[in-house]
Amino acid sequence: DTGVSQNPRHKITKRGQNVTFRCDPISEHNRLYWYRQTLGQGPEFLTYFQNEAQLEKSRLLSDRFSAERPKGSFSTLEIQRTEQGDSAMYLCASSLGDGSGNTIYFGEGSWLTVV
Amino acid sequence: LAKTTQPISMDSYEGQEVNITCSHNNIATNDYITWYQQFPSQGPRFIIQGYKTKVTNEVASLFIPADRKSSTLSLPRVSLSDTAVYYCLVGVDFISSGSARQLTFGSGTQLTVLP
Repeated sequence: DTGVSQNPRHKITKRGQNVTFRCDPISEHNRLYWYRQTLGQGPEFLTYFQNEAQLEKSRLLSDRFSAERPKGSFSTLEIQRTEQGDSAMYLCASSLGDGSGNTIYFGEGSWLTVV
Repeated sequence: LAKTTQPISMDSYEGQEVNITCSHNNIATNDYITWYQQFPSQGPRFIIQGYKTKVTNEVASLFIPADRKSSTLSLPRVSLSDTAVYYCLVGVDFISSGSARQLTFGSGTQLTVLP
């Protein structure tokens, strides 16, 4: 399967701990996105990469959140000092970025539960 | 960013055609219209994308009037497995003048297909 891959799929952590999620985009896609989704809500944009450059960050991305895409391939999203409000599904998506509509394809998400 | 308005929920019966309309009054010239389907605990799945007039693929049709201020997703002969949340997105993953625009999800339409 050559879709967007995310891991771990589920993570339970204690408040105050750090967690890291990994995303492997579709191989030829140069754009990578992170979204967050809570129950009953649509996904909310967090940040976006063009190759290795992080080009946009939402104000939702507090200083406890950091995302990287060091070689323009996979990406990591780290949440430091987790809070219960961080409990959500974190979605990664990627797109080809050729300017022609650029369909964005999502992974299956990584569920975070902070206890 | 163009805001979208969709019905919160819709019910249908198996075998019927379902039309979900999305309003996007301030759609920009470069914006595409994209629809996603999302099942519980899964990432959104791309259904269809269009810019104007009509687009059809193996699962759905998308109707866009000339003024592009609304769009209608048409699902032919729905089945129980089409029960999901459907999101209409308006925007373009396109870098212009050094800035990127992110796609914004609304609250979606919960479609329930009844036997």
